[in-house]
Amino acid sequence: SAVISQKPSRDICQRGTSLTIQCQVDSQVTMMFWYRQQPGQSLTLIATANQGSEATYESGFVIDKFPISRPNLTFSTLTVSNMSPEDSSIYLCSGVWGTEAFFGQGTRLTVV
Amino acid sequence: GDSVTQMEGPVTLSEEAFLTINCTYTATGYPSLFWYVQYPGEGLQLLLKATKADDKGSNKGFEATYRKETTSFHLEKGSVQVSDSAVYFCALNHNTDKLIFGTGTRLQVFP
Repeated sequence: SAVISQKPSRDICQRGTSLTIQCQVDSQVTMMFWYRQQPGQSLTLIATANQGSEATYESGFVIDKFPISRPNLTFSTLTVSNMSPEDSSIYLCSGVWGTEAFFGQGTRLTVV
Repeated sequence: GDSVTQMEGPVTLSEEAFLTINCTYTATGYPSLFWYVQYPGEGLQLLLKATKADDKGSNKGFEATYRKETTSFHLEKGSVQVSDSAVYFCALNHNTDKLIFGTGTRLQVFP
């Protein structure tokens, strides 16, 4: 199994600023993903974090708004750029180990 | 594209009641199916999974059977406890490992 640590666990940010969320896995995982969970809604995939190359973004998400890094097989960051109140959500990272997906505890972001 | 539909919540039950949370899916081919649980203030945890038709996933008293003929993966538990109160997500994926989630169903169990 894998344990995923995410930080910060929560933050309140001013609009127009950026926040970087870190995701650390305690073992090497083949795939890492970033999801968004808007208030009262389900999880939506933002992008697949590719090790050593640019992330693969889902429809509706762009690199300029959500730059992602994955320098190695155990670490990834997601930045939420130029934030607006609509970005208030829980952001979760996920790693696939074997056939199972593990999730971090999430980052609860509030933009004011 | 692929999608997952879950019953609306919240589902409110008394302790020891029988639980069913409905989940149906639309997908090409033969996806794997999952139930995840999110306890208050925590991340998602895998509850159970099934990877092919007629498989039954089970864990902690919860069960779900992969029914291809009805494209369903309903979650059941014979006797719920207060500690089962959480949000339950049905999900599917193919070999790409990207999970497609349903909207989630909040379960509230009262003593």
